[in-house]
Amino acid sequence: GESVGLHLPTLSVQEGDNSIINCAYSNSASDYFIWYKQESGKGPQFIIDIRSNMDKRQGQRVTVLLNKTVKHLSLQIAATQPGDSAVYFCAESQGHQGGKLIFGQGTELSVKP
Amino acid sequence: NAGVMQNPRHLVRRRGQEARLRCSPMKGHSHVYWYRQLPEEGLKFMVYLQKENIIDESGMPKERFSAEFPKEGPSILRIQQVVRGDSAAYFCASSPLTTNTGELFFGEGSRLTVL
Repeated sequence: GESVGLHLPTLSVQEGDNSIINCAYSNSASDYFIWYKQESGKGPQFIIDIRSNMDKRQGQRVTVLLNKTVKHLSLQIAATQPGDSAVYFCAESQGHQGGKLIFGQGTELSVKP
Repeated sequence: NAGVMQNPRHLVRRRGQEARLRCSPMKGHSHVYWYRQLPEEGLKFMVYLQKENIIDESGMPKERFSAEFPKEGPSILRIQQVVRGDSAAYFCASSPLTTNTGELFFGEGSRLTVL
């Protein structure tokens, strides 16, 4: 029979507004949590990471929040710009496993000018 | 400083043919990872290699798929006797040492279409 395609969760924001992208992770043993940005037709690009012993980390215009109690990760983008339009993936890793990452499904961010 | 280079960017194969995807890591990087991405899905880990060694191949299908990273030359992901379900984007990533933070540098991907 026909297969049903999966549709990414989408978030649409106005240029200049703040964006919050959420992610639930699965493994309590994960040491690091990372956000990647993937533009159409391109490879993922590292944005920011956070260790499991932290609950907040800030970068340039981005902040990552980690809530281990509920296994929740979020990415906040301040003053969202059209260039921020992309699919955003959270990923988790266990430090001893190097670059073996477990990626989430992804959220498509669309910024309206 | 060139990034991770993958080729071909697009590859079309008929069922039963072989696909070879190549990846040259960033200069100075000795660790290579291959990931597969189906449409509208996240990336799935396949294999982690260092020069001449396979470190972790827990994400590789048991049959038809193989990977190598020789002492000289690029890393190669080889898919024998391709089937339609192999159609996907295959991404290579590299890191300078064993990364314990998950920061990888990804290439632009090779998009395989099996007819």
